[in-house]
Amino acid sequence: KNQVEQSPQSLIILEGKNCTLQCNYTVSPFSNLRWYKQDTGRGPVSLTIMTFSENTKSNGRYTATLDADTKQSSLHITASQLSDSASYICVVLNLSGGYQKVTFGTGTKLQVIP
Amino acid sequence: DAGVIQSPRHEVTEMGQEVTLRCKPISGHNSLFWYRQTMMRGLELLIYFNNNVPIDDSGMPEDRFSAKMPNASFSTLKIQPSEPRDSAVYFCASSLSLAGGPGEQFFGPGTRLTVL
Repeated sequence: KNQVEQSPQSLIILEGKNCTLQCNYTVSPFSNLRWYKQDTGRGPVSLTIMTFSENTKSNGRYTATLDADTKQSSLHITASQLSDSASYICVVLNLSGGYQKVTFGTGTKLQVIP
Repeated sequence: DAGVIQSPRHEVTEMGQEVTLRCKPISGHNSLFWYRQTMMRGLELLIYFNNNVPIDDSGMPEDRFSAKMPNASFSTLKIQPSEPRDSAVYFCASSLSLAGGPGEQFFGPGTRLTVL
């Protein structure tokens, strides 16, 4: 069964600190992996999209890594800001029946405090 | 561009009533997705349209749920009859899907549904 597991479930860090969120998946065959940021009361917004051949991709203070061999991804946030407080969702796409199916993780809820 | 537009933003209804949620995708996008999000289950894909045709509706919970996309600029998700367990936030997203697969999805603001 295709699954995406994220850890930790929730995290509280001080403003200015770094943090790393984890995503492990069992989705196969793998197509691509995406990280989304969802602010409270809003829809998710894409941060990065990574294909099989990409190991690292950055978007400002966000850096995503992918290890397709171990089926793990991480999202590293550098110099956190209060506005980083949100849920971060890992999404993995796989090819099934000629089109791409989506499997969502349950998210990591990050709170950045002053 | 206004982004993905959903209406209503909030809906409160009584059990047994029909509920219709509406979505206008981003102009030029050819794929449309309906999602449901709850605290317990997170985000779940309900149905996915490509070029107005339903491709995958395996996530639709049961026959009480139906979705249509009569044209490239409009889609509806209908629940009839509604039940309290349908209470959730329903998101619509659209993307431009090419031969390489679905592109980046842009989500609407969601409709918060409460069924009493």
